[in-house]
Amino acid sequence: DIQMTQSPSSLSASVGDRVTITCRASQSISSYLNWYQQKPGKAPKLLIYAASSLQSGVPSRFSGSGSGTDFTLTISSLQPEDFATYYCQQSYSTPPTFGPGTKVDIK
Amino acid sequence: EVQLVESGGGLVQPGGSLRLSCAASGFTFSSYWMHWVRQAPGKGLVWVSRINSDGSSTSYADSVKGRFTISRDNAKNTLYLQMNSLRAEDTAVYYCARENYYDSSGPNWFDPWGQGTLVTVSS
Repeated sequence: DIQMTQSPSSLSASVGDRVTITCRASQSISSYLNWYQQKPGKAPKLLIYAASSLQSGVPSRFSGSGSGTDFTLTISSLQPEDFATYYCQQSYSTPPTFGPGTKVDIK
Repeated sequence: EVQLVESGGGLVQPGGSLRLSCAASGFTFSSYWMHWVRQAPGKGLVWVSRINSDGSSTSYADSVKGRFTISRDNAKNTLYLQMNSLRAEDTAVYYCARENYYDSSGPNWFDPWGQGTLVTVSS
């Protein structure tokens, strides 16, 4: 199975900050990488698919980049509604696997 | 509106069985592969199982293989997860999710997700 890691595991930030989350795969996964946002008690929500494609309806302050083994999710200007946990997920091979998550909370 | 609604969760004793359902609406259910993903309390997301569009092919996580069975009824637009020999470590919120892709040989992703249904395995 492909192992996914994320860093940091948590971060504290202020509204307006630029936030970057890193995801690393244990082997090359090309661009088969997705990002999800999850708020407490809610289902995950797709933000970015295929490493850099913005899901319809997701604000443009979210962006994704990377290929191979290293990927980043960037929030250009953090908004109050962005405080949540973010997960990366590889779809390169079965089983699809998720990173452990990065919790973004208020500084 | 594209929607997935899970049901069937609850409290069950170790060794017991439960069947989860996921009702789909707003899209052509029979055209999509579907998945179950679970999340133990306070933990991360873990893939459980998937089924192809006509139900002829399935795949399972090693942790549930031989105990869980995924199936679908395209006439009823419903996905199922039959869970047998349940263990305490199966306690989780179970989500169903639709698989999307540009083409079948490229990247795919989960969207949308249902709201989840909680399964608690305890005596």
